[in-house]
Amino acid sequence: QKEVEQDPGPLSVPEGAIVSLNCTYSNSAFQYFMWYRQYSRKGPELLMYTYSSGNKEDGRFTAQVDKSSKYISLFIRDSQPSDSATYLCAVMNTGFQKLVFGTGTRLLVSP
Amino acid sequence: GAGVSQSPSNKVTEKGKDVELRCDPISGHTALYWYRQRLGQGLEFLIYFQGNSAPDKSGLPSDRFSAERTGESVSTLTIQRTQQEDSAVYLCASSLVRDSTYEQYFGPGTRLTVT
Repeated sequence: QKEVEQDPGPLSVPEGAIVSLNCTYSNSAFQYFMWYRQYSRKGPELLMYTYSSGNKEDGRFTAQVDKSSKYISLFIRDSQPSDSATYLCAVMNTGFQKLVFGTGTRLLVSP
Repeated sequence: GAGVSQSPSNKVTEKGKDVELRCDPISGHTALYWYRQRLGQGLEFLIYFQGNSAPDKSGLPSDRFSAERTGESVSTLTIQRTQQEDSAVYLCASSLVRDSTYEQYFGPGTRLTVT
């Protein structure tokens, strides 16, 4: 079993839709949760960073962590064609510096 | 300020040759990481440097892979006797490990193709 599971997609939505991206993880010791956006042939760009459970909002983006079910989500409101990219979730233990990534979900937002 | 930079952006090499990949972290960032991203897969941790501590090499896939870092600056990832399965994008990240902040910022990557 992979430490982090993520549906590879692609997920296709029309412009303006609300997008829900999700990951599950297996190790309850993970404390830090991140979402990265990666455009084609570019490095990952940090979007959201959350410690422990709860919600965090930044503009059109909301990150949600449910540690009881080991489930993390990223919501994108009013999606735009420029949001078309691969979204990677990542988790990390306290004291262990390496990020463990999901495989990424490819999102396509059509005008 | 400038972000993480990597060079070269693309590298094509013949099987069996050695390659060196370079990473310049964000100025002031004490931690530096190397990851590998194979086609259609997530990022795979390779190695981590933090200050003067011994590096965490637990992700290096074989003894053909090695990395060095000079102080808190440039790092070089070396792959000896390259194999076709080494073809991937090699990504470097840096972070300022302070006050329990572990945000990692990535460079654009080096796309390595082994023919």
